[in-house]
Amino acid sequence: QQQVKQSPQSLIVQKGGISIINCAYENTAFDYFPWYQQFPGKGPALLIAIRPDVSEKKEGRFTISFNKSAKQFSLHIMDSQPGDSATYFCAASIGDYKLSFGAGTTVTVRA
Amino acid sequence: DTGVSQNPRHKITKRGQNVTFRCDPISEHNRLYWYRQTLGQGPEFLTYFQNEAQLEKSRLLSDRFSAERPKGSFSTLEIQRTEQGDSAMYLCASALSTDTQYFGPGTRLTVL
Repeated sequence: QQQVKQSPQSLIVQKGGISIINCAYENTAFDYFPWYQQFPGKGPALLIAIRPDVSEKKEGRFTISFNKSAKQFSLHIMDSQPGDSATYFCAASIGDYKLSFGAGTTVTVRA
Repeated sequence: DTGVSQNPRHKITKRGQNVTFRCDPISEHNRLYWYRQTLGQGPEFLTYFQNEAQLEKSRLLSDRFSAERPKGSFSTLEIQRTEQGDSAMYLCASALSTDTQYFGPGTRLTVL
């Protein structure tokens, strides 16, 4: 069964807009929550990651918000650019163990 | 380029044939993972090595699949008697003593 549920499946945003992707998990033992970006024909590339001891982490235009009590976390992409058009995956793991991925969100940024 | 490399990038084979993929991790990374990704889905864990020891295998890894990591460096994933359901992208990732897993470009397998 999928341990990390991701939504929406796809979204379209105008250039300069905000993209928001949500993920929920059940396993409270998860303690590492990365987001990966994947372009067609390429492997996933780490975008940003968070641990449950902080509620928010920002790197450039990308922000993770984390709600431990709700077992939810989200990715915000500010000032979306056409180059951000890709598939985004949330994931979770227990330490350095295997990653459990969400099903992915395809983001399309319209110029 | 010192990232994770995988070969071949694409493999087309006929059902029933055996195939082998290779992964070269980032130098000195002691942990190596194999994942499988089908179209429209996130990667799914297959197996995990710490140095040369294979520490876990997913139930997705049937007895037709075998993985090795001799000397704790590169790794190979072999699929025997391939089936059409094996068609997928096979991803390799490596990591050091942190949680960050770095993925290679993947090997896309098509079984005809």
